[in-house]
Amino acid sequence: EVQLVESGGGLVQPGGSLRLSCAASGFIFNNYWMSWFRRAPGKGLEWVANIDQDGRTKYYVDSVKGRFTISRDNAKNSLYLQINSLRVDDTAVYYCVRDRHFWGLGTQVTVSA
Amino acid sequence: DIVMTQSPLSLPVTPGEPASISCRSSQSLLHDNGYNSLDWYLQKPGQSPQLLIFLASNRASGVPDRFSGSGSGTDFTLKISRVEAEDVGLYYCMQSLQIGAYTFGQGTKLEI
Repeated sequence: EVQLVESGGGLVQPGGSLRLSCAASGFIFNNYWMSWFRRAPGKGLEWVANIDQDGRTKYYVDSVKGRFTISRDNAKNSLYLQINSLRVDDTAVYYCVRDRHFWGLGTQVTVSA
Repeated sequence: DIVMTQSPLSLPVTPGEPASISCRSSQSLLHDNGYNSLDWYLQKPGQSPQLLIFLASNRASGVPDRFSGSGSGTDFTLKISRVEAEDVGLYYCMQSLQIGAYTFGQGTKLEI
């Protein structure tokens, strides 16, 4: 059974940083592109970033370029999202996703003074 | 970026009746491989989004057959043949033609 478990969310002040993690199990992790998506309160779903199987190719939505970094550790079956220079509009539930089909339960990031 | 436009944004339905959601893209989603890069998702209250339909017309594993997807190019439709109470939530279409720039429609709220 595919499982994706996010962690690392929390309450942070504007300008702060967080590192989100996603522990994957139930499939061969290094066979798949992985992604982060988010949903802000009262807003729709938004794709955030993608990373290829060996971590060399990465894509980001324009609003997070230069602030967010997606990475993976295939030896640990883990996906990460380093988020820096946080803004209030980054407040959202962040989801770890495998090839658009499998979604984790999400981790809440709240940016507030 | 490809702009996705859904309609309606709110969809009141009666259990047992059919329902339909439209999704239009600002450019064709037909890939060179012959497939349309269009997915449909449902986010039920308090839950993670779930994939309903991928590549425009393929039901994801475990999705009831009352859900169907159709369309090609820039016009797509999600149909529910007979709505059930458990179908309430937010429905989204998403284009995955550009792997570096996925975009969603605004979402359609289905309510009983």
